[in-house]
Amino acid sequence: DAGITQSPRYKITETGRQVTLMCHQTWSHSYMFWYRQDLGHGLRLIYYSAAADITDKGEVPDGYVVSRSKTENFPLTLESATRSQTSVYFCASSESLAGVGDTQYFGPGTRLTVL
Amino acid sequence: GQNIDQPTEMTATEGAIVQINCTYQTSGFNGLFWYQQHAGEAPTFLSYNVLDGLEEKGRFSSFLSRSKGYSYLLLKELQMKDSASYLCAVPNDYKLSFGAGTTVTVRA
Repeated sequence: DAGITQSPRYKITETGRQVTLMCHQTWSHSYMFWYRQDLGHGLRLIYYSAAADITDKGEVPDGYVVSRSKTENFPLTLESATRSQTSVYFCASSESLAGVGDTQYFGPGTRLTVL
Repeated sequence: GQNIDQPTEMTATEGAIVQINCTYQTSGFNGLFWYQQHAGEAPTFLSYNVLDGLEEKGRFSSFLSRSKGYSYLLLKELQMKDSASYLCAVPNDYKLSFGAGTTVTVRA
């Protein structure tokens, strides 16, 4: 299917476990982003990538790792999950810069619960 | 950095008009986005303003005043399906900084 997809859509894990959230887009967009969304905080940027093999930290990167070996994939790994990482995670992509008016397109989200 | 403020909640009646305000402080301005997010779903693009003034798209309009650091989203002829969160966002290079969102509840 075309567009941007995330998997899994729902995940329950335990404290201390490693978890990887997958994101795949079929538009060949250069830019990809990971956000988390929590009540009262809105969307906060975790990591972003400007191209394959180029990634950088966002606002809340601690406890997360990303990689981007292929343009279409941008997995997010929680190395040792904590309860504070319980959240809804959104992946997004854009063709160009938000600063020139290019919108970001969001995946359907992954609801992660850490017990 | 960016500091973006918008009201937490608003309630309106079906058929009415609601105005959602957004104020921002940013070191460099490159436009302002509005997104709509229904409960349990992803945000979707509504509008982008980079010049001062009002832009209309059907029942939805977005206004920007760069000198005042202020924008609003105007929803006219409200429908039940307009019940959602509305997020304003300000670009910083290729990143977006989001406000916490305004939850609009439309009542019959």
